[in-house]
Amino acid sequence: QKEVEQDPGPLSVPEGAIVSLNCTYSNSAFQYFMWYRQYSRKGPELLMYTYSSGNKEDGRFTAQVDKSSKYISLFIRDSQPSDSATYLCAMSIVNNDMRFGAGTRLTVKP
Amino acid sequence: DTAVSQTPKYLVTQMGNDKSIKCEQNLGHDTMYWYKQDSKKFLKIMFSYNNKELIINETVPNRFSPKSPDKAHLNLHINSLELGDSAVYFCASSQRAGGGHLLYEQYFGPGTRLTVT
Repeated sequence: QKEVEQDPGPLSVPEGAIVSLNCTYSNSAFQYFMWYRQYSRKGPELLMYTYSSGNKEDGRFTAQVDKSSKYISLFIRDSQPSDSATYLCAMSIVNNDMRFGAGTRLTVKP
Repeated sequence: DTAVSQTPKYLVTQMGNDKSIKCEQNLGHDTMYWYKQDSKKFLKIMFSYNNKELIINETVPNRFSPKSPDKAHLNLHINSLELGDSAVYFCASSQRAGGGHLLYEQYFGPGTRLTVT
């Protein structure tokens, strides 16, 4: 079993839809939970991060962590075509030693 | 100004060759990394260097060797290239992890697409 599992998709939604992206993990020691966005032919860029459990909101994006279920989510409200990218979850025990999910490819259609 | 840059952007070479990928960061960070992203987009850390010390090495074949001439550069040398080395290689940098729960964000370069034929 991989440490971090993420459905690679692809996921296609109409503009304005709410998008839900998820990851599960097996290592209960993970404390830092991150979401990266990667546009085609570009490097990943940090979108959201959460320490331990809870929710975090930033504009149209909400990150949720449920450590009891070993499950993290990223919600995108009012999705836009510019949100079309691959979204990678990442997590770590200590800062900087990250384990990535496989990434979910999202397409938002106008 | 580019924060993390890599050269070359594309690299096509034959099996058995030796090649290098260069990485430079102008962010003043003290830790740099190399990641490999395979065709399924799975991103896996290969190395990180902090103050010229290797602090992570994730079961990478010894054909791969990082070289850091100074804090702003971390180059990746690959000997005897194999077909399975074909992937996109990303360089990244961050400040060293410290105490507390502040995340030290890693900034990624644009990637080097390596194709071994």
